[in-house]
Amino acid sequence: GAVVSQHPSWVICKSGTSVKIECRSLDFQATTMFWYRQFPKQSLMLMATSNEGSKATYEQGVEKDKFLINHASLTLSTLTVTSAHPEDSSFYICSARESGNQPQHFGDGTRLSIL
Amino acid sequence: QKEVEQNSGPLSVPEGAIASLNCTYSDRGSQSFFWYRQYSGKSPELIMFIYSNGDKEDGRFTAQLNKASQYVSLLIRDSQPSDSATYLCAVAPIGGYQKVTFGTGTKLQVIP
Repeated sequence: GAVVSQHPSWVICKSGTSVKIECRSLDFQATTMFWYRQFPKQSLMLMATSNEGSKATYEQGVEKDKFLINHASLTLSTLTVTSAHPEDSSFYICSARESGNQPQHFGDGTRLSIL
Repeated sequence: QKEVEQNSGPLSVPEGAIASLNCTYSDRGSQSFFWYRQYSGKSPELIMFIYSNGDKEDGRFTAQLNKASQYVSLLIRDSQPSDSATYLCAVAPIGGYQKVTFGTGTKLQVIP
């Protein structure tokens, strides 16, 4: 149980393109989903926390107009990187949690490369 | 600021030995504790979670929690080369929308 599906797993696109990443909880309802970014050999960096039906809460330094998060249902959250640039290239990982004290379960991540 | 501290390592242990990974946290209100394993280039994978003081065992893994000392550890018995990864400690208060604070991880190397 507790499977989180994230796709695409790989994206390569040109600078200026917008990219949408989907995160789905397949066998549970996720009241909260999280979006992380991880650069090579560095720690997970939380970008935003998303609760179903509410606006996402962004961490300090994360531009909400650049990283658009939608959590329209209890099983789906999306992250759209708008007008992506090479410095946005990173490993983006979502996670989902059923309730407050339950563990987060991670998707397999999306490797984004902006040329 | 809520902090979760881990020794970055690498922690090197011979195959078959016990690996001991430690984590301390600053927020006394923390109620939920998690250990994740992350292989290089992959996303984190849940290994164990623990909510109460004491030990919790699952196969070769044992999580130990001491809330008075604000300390949580993960023991891996009979370490295997496939256990070589970065282990992330994560801590959260109880609450519907509370976020989890992750440590920076300890890199474990199991030497064949």
